[in-house]
Amino acid sequence: EMQLVESGGGLVKPGGSLRLSCAASGLTFNYAWMNWVRQAPGKGLEWVGRIKSKGSGGTTEYTASVKGRFSISRDDSQKMLYLQMNSLQTEDTAVYYCAAVRDPTSFSLISWGQGTLVTVSS
Amino acid sequence: DIQMTQSPSSLSASAGDRVTISCRASESITNYLNWYQQTPGKAPKLLIYSVSNLQSGVPSRFSGSGSGTDFILTINNLQPEDFATYYCHQTYNTPRTFGQGTKVEIK
Repeated sequence: EMQLVESGGGLVKPGGSLRLSCAASGLTFNYAWMNWVRQAPGKGLEWVGRIKSKGSGGTTEYTASVKGRFSISRDDSQKMLYLQMNSLQTEDTAVYYCAAVRDPTSFSLISWGQGTLVTVSS
Repeated sequence: DIQMTQSPSSLSASAGDRVTISCRASESITNYLNWYQQTPGKAPKLLIYSVSNLQSGVPSRFSGSGSGTDFILTINNLQPEDFATYYCHQTYNTPRTFGQGTKVEIK
């Protein structure tokens, strides 16, 4: 069974940095395309970005509001996904989910972690 | 960016009802449309991928249809565990985008 477990959330001041981690099990991680999705309190889902598998180029893409501030990386040997968040703003406050792509045709998100809360506040 | 608009934003229904939720894309996304269910405090769960394909383990009372810009999620014989928020999600291009969600509440 696929399992994703996020960690690293917490309280950070505006302008600060935080790195989120996502530990994967039950999937062939090195082939998986991985995404980060966030959800502000009481709001809907917002796609943050994704990283392709290394075999597909390992490239990353981001939503405009985080481009240049957030960076996604992966360590296939450890089955770990990361989200480095810099220059955090109050509007980045959200639960952050990592999610695995089901297949390279639908690109739907088949498995999600439980989420980790990031609060940006002074 | 492709905008996804769901309607209604919320609805009230009773167990046993048939419910339809619409999702409209701001441009054609062919069949790159997925649906998720989210209950409070939980992560989203994939229900349907590529418009109409039921994810393994999802009850057959859920179905999806549509193409291009207009899509529908149908829930037949609504069950107590179906009261949740539903999101559509386009994967035609990046940035990926979600609809704003439709909350299905108990009447």
